[in-house]
Amino acid sequence: GQNIDQPTEMTATEGAIVQINCTYQTSGFNGLFWYQQHAGEAPTFLSYNVLDGLEEKGRFSSFLSRSKGYSYLLLKELQMKDSASYLCAVMDSNYQLIWGAGTKLIIKP
Amino acid sequence: GAVVSQHPSWVICKSGTSVKIECRSLDFQATTMFWYRQFPKQSLMLMATSNEGSKATYEQGVEKDKFLINHASLTLSTLTVTSAHPEDSSFYICSANSGVDYNEQFFGPGTRLTVL
Repeated sequence: GQNIDQPTEMTATEGAIVQINCTYQTSGFNGLFWYQQHAGEAPTFLSYNVLDGLEEKGRFSSFLSRSKGYSYLLLKELQMKDSASYLCAVMDSNYQLIWGAGTKLIIKP
Repeated sequence: GAVVSQHPSWVICKSGTSVKIECRSLDFQATTMFWYRQFPKQSLMLMATSNEGSKATYEQGVEKDKFLINHASLTLSTLTVTSAHPEDSSFYICSANSGVDYNEQFFGPGTRLTVL
């Protein structure tokens, strides 16, 4: 079966760095997405990785290792507004998104 | 960037009535639209995938006669929840992709449905 695993909840301090991990087992791979979702709102796109390595976009970076079925989202200089759920999703061989359950990130002052 | 709208943003209805939710891609033509449901503190659950002019493909466990999907044009898809019951209360989110740019899905703002 297809499976996406990520931690349920993480807590970090404002100004710090946090890494959210995601491991996956899917039938085929056409890329991995990270989305941010604030409570009561729809997800918003953060990043896309299809090749191994690190993609940096401002305070957010995403890493992918296809051989290990592993990705992480790195958030630097945390701000209170970064408190949200972070969803890892993998596009399988049918170009369908398989979603993780999301990681709730709590930022403390 | 690509914009997807949903209407209404929230709706309250009585048990047994039907509710229609519209999903529109405002500045691009969506080859495929997706309908998701999300219960509190849970991840997105794909309900169905629809392509313009053809019947929707429903995920296992989703009743196609209860959740009617119509993808009438490249910019509009509708989801009708028929004979709604309290257990249908959820956050319904649509997304659309244009078939380019690694098939990124652009999400609508979601519709909060409460069935009394």
